[in-house]
Amino acid sequence: DTEVTQTPKHLVMGMTNKKSLKCEQHMGHRAMYWYKQKAKKPPELMFVYSYEKLSINESVPSRFSPECPNSSLLNLHLHALQPEDSALYLCASSQDRSGSYNEQFFGPGTRLTVL
Amino acid sequence: DAKTTQPTSMDCAEGRAANLPCNHSTISGNEYVYWYRQIHSQGPQYIIHGLKNNETNEMASLIITEDRKSSTLILPHATLRDTAVYYCIVRAATSGTYKYIFGTGTRLKVLA
Repeated sequence: DTEVTQTPKHLVMGMTNKKSLKCEQHMGHRAMYWYKQKAKKPPELMFVYSYEKLSINESVPSRFSPECPNSSLLNLHLHALQPEDSALYLCASSQDRSGSYNEQFFGPGTRLTVL
Repeated sequence: DAKTTQPTSMDCAEGRAANLPCNHSTISGNEYVYWYRQIHSQGPQYIIHGLKNNETNEMASLIITEDRKSSTLILPHATLRDTAVYYCIVRAATSGTYKYIFGTGTRLKVLA
């Protein structure tokens, strides 16, 4: 199984709502990533978890809260978002080892719209 | 962190080779170069990666210059399905893990 799954595919939320994005992989990867992608722009790294610990937070506002309950799951909790947070949110995973075989596998993304 | 620069867009005739350049002049000795492509806001798809030697797989070839400051992705016989945004990425070690730093991407259009 070389797949990263993300749910939901689409999400519309108001600025006062609380919602969560979910990501799952069963490849035994120990690094998991959240990216945000605006239209016609490259993905921007938000968070990296390595061995279930938060390793990198790219100065993301606290209205985005990541969680890694176990090595297969990654959540992104959303609260009090702004319309400019509307974007495609991508999850990825990789083996997180030194050396060559460390390609990232991406999920299909969640298209988020904040009203 | 090493950064990459890529042309914004390129056209290629169907059946011809597509050569996509990338500059990564600040790359460090142990940082790999990865190429991904993204079709229509789907998740990026892995193509190929390398450190200093040229690499080839069933999808593409990667040519890295001897000084490692630039590379070229080659799609040998482009088809209409290769129309996509192609990202050149440097993988950098940091904070006990790795960051994959995306370039701005090249929008490749394959023409019939």
